[in-house]
Amino acid sequence: DTAVSQTPKYLVTQMGNDKSIKCEQNLGHDTMYWYKQDSKKFLKIMFSYNNKELIINETVPNRFSPKSPDKAHLNLHINSLELGDSAVYFCASSRVNPYEQYFGPGTRLTVT
Amino acid sequence: DAKTTQPPSMDCAEGRAANLPCNHSTISGNEYVYWYRQIHSQGPQYIIHGLKNNETNEMASLIITEDRKSSTLILPHATLRDTAVYYCIVRVYFGRYQTGANNLFFGTGTRLTVIP
Repeated sequence: DTAVSQTPKYLVTQMGNDKSIKCEQNLGHDTMYWYKQDSKKFLKIMFSYNNKELIINETVPNRFSPKSPDKAHLNLHINSLELGDSAVYFCASSRVNPYEQYFGPGTRLTVT
Repeated sequence: DAKTTQPPSMDCAEGRAANLPCNHSTISGNEYVYWYRQIHSQGPQYIIHGLKNNETNEMASLIITEDRKSSTLILPHATLRDTAVYYCIVRVYFGRYQTGANNLFFGTGTRLTVIP
């Protein structure tokens, strides 16, 4: 009964490709997030999204786009992958208190 | 948001209490203190949060000083599984989703190593 799940766990791809990472939460939360953790272990918010609004961190390139088919899913699409996109990507969700977030296990993306 | 300062690393003997300090001297009256941890290769895990009263849950206790300029996260009986990076975060809680205000900002945290 995993709360927040992500697929795949590992993703290795070449520069220029387009890829997607899927996230699902079964907690009934209405807000979901994507974070990026780089090689220096800094964890940075990329997007926050609920059924009303998408908030984008202004530093995120427009090659990254979140897509939510329904309240329980927030997928991350990445176009024209670059070497610098290599990182661990975490999905998270929250309910009433937006700072009590539940994180997925992460997806390690390696761009070669 | 108030900035936080944490020691970069700490050690704790297994079975003993781990006390992790956090300074937030510029905290404002409506800002909460949140603690998360990240065990190696896993997603961050919410631990506890508080405003001004001490808080306790099944994982930890949070002690906030009377002037709210610092706090301490206490793991009462540290185990090897508690080895992780612990993050202290200060945020305003609006009580509902609000545009641009609901992001967690993770700093560098404290790397706690529990020693057998």
